[in-house]
Amino acid sequence: NAGVMQNPRHLVRRRGQEARLRCSPMKGHSHVYWYRQLPEEGLKFMVYLQKENIIDESGMPKERFSAEFPKEGPSILRIQQVVRGDSAAYFCASSPGYGTVLSPLHFGNGTRLTVT
Amino acid sequence: GQNIDQPTEMTATEGAIVQINCTYQTSGFNGLFWYQQHAGEAPTFLSYNVLDGLEEKGRFSSFLSRSKGYSYLLLKELQMKDSASYLCAVDNTDKLIFGTGTRLQVFP
Repeated sequence: NAGVMQNPRHLVRRRGQEARLRCSPMKGHSHVYWYRQLPEEGLKFMVYLQKENIIDESGMPKERFSAEFPKEGPSILRIQQVVRGDSAAYFCASSPGYGTVLSPLHFGNGTRLTVT
Repeated sequence: GQNIDQPTEMTATEGAIVQINCTYQTSGFNGLFWYQQHAGEAPTFLSYNVLDGLEEKGRFSSFLSRSKGYSYLLLKELQMKDSASYLCAVDNTDKLIFGTGTRLQVFP
């Protein structure tokens, strides 16, 4: 059973460009979480999605960031007009939706975004 | 507000025992989780506590006191490969809120 798959592993963008990060959940999982980790810091919650529905986006910056999880295909975290401060590791985790206690989150290997 | 505190760094010797503490103040609580993260890698799940008491899993144990807002992770028979960051996280309304992590260095 394949784990959570994220791609690309590394992404370099110039300031002002768009970054698209993809996350394919584990088989049978319908819920996805996105977290951001700045260098030497902890994981910061960004958004929690179910297929075709955003459940909790309380951690998402108000501008330039958006996330979706369509009925078919991976979840996408999109960052428009990237700035240097967006440079970070972005991790995705998936779950079957029974709550983290019944099904602890398992994370993908992350996408390391570098903005030059 | 949400507040999860852990020591920033700890050091220990191979073969020893180390205890990593975590205190939390959150608006909701469904459980407390511990993750291990090696540099440049994904966090990996270690253990969780929902009820008060000790949960043991091989060389790793985790303890929870909900009334005190306190947990610890105990690592026994330390190995060099245990050098990593250890992240404490609280489930708050079905999402995990993480502390900043404790970087553990194990010396021979």
